[in-house]
Amino acid sequence: DAGVIQSPRHEVTEMGQEVTLRCKPISGHDYLFWYRQTMMRGLELLIYFNNNVPIDDSGMPEDRFSAKMPNASFSTLKIQPSEPRDSAVYFCALAGGGTGELFFGEGSRLTVL
Amino acid sequence: RKEVEQDPGPFNVPEGATVAFNCTYSNSASQSFFWYRQDCRKEPKLLMSVYSSGNEDGRFTAQLNRASQYISLLIRDSKLSDSATYLCVVIPNTGNQFYFGTGTSLTVIP
Repeated sequence: DAGVIQSPRHEVTEMGQEVTLRCKPISGHDYLFWYRQTMMRGLELLIYFNNNVPIDDSGMPEDRFSAKMPNASFSTLKIQPSEPRDSAVYFCALAGGGTGELFFGEGSRLTVL
Repeated sequence: RKEVEQDPGPFNVPEGATVAFNCTYSNSASQSFFWYRQDCRKEPKLLMSVYSSGNEDGRFTAQLNRASQYISLLIRDSKLSDSATYLCVVIPNTGNQFYFGTGTSLTVIP
């Protein structure tokens, strides 16, 4: 258990509001990933970090999305302004223990009305 | 073209049946392959890695066909507890991205 803590677990907000999703990874993993999952599109990679540095953000849908990793113990994914089509489950995941395994948090379920 | 293509199913099979899922990938130089399992409203978790020579873990067998660029998962003697979504995962040789298929839904019926 890599102990990836995500918050909030559920959020319901109105269109136009700012949403901030948080991830607190247990140290010891070099890579942190943000994924979005919907029924229609499955799991989509949004962005990933290596040693706190963003490596590939090509999956970020548009400028309304931003992600930061100020230190090895904390990352945020922000949506501003939010839109109904952003409704999804957002997962934070870790890798880098040498096994090739990806450890997921329990996800943040976002509903934008 | 998507990195990984997977039949979404759903597969509805009786207990005890054998079921197989396939997944194709577009990058011929991909280096690592996995199958993950995701239960309803839960996060994905690693089921098993896929090795070039094929590998087995109890009732589960994973195979890789590099020539045809697909991986497969075979489940024998299906149990009710096998009901879940199964996702194939491919890591290209160009980086550390984990590319997921959209998942195949399996329901094992009593």
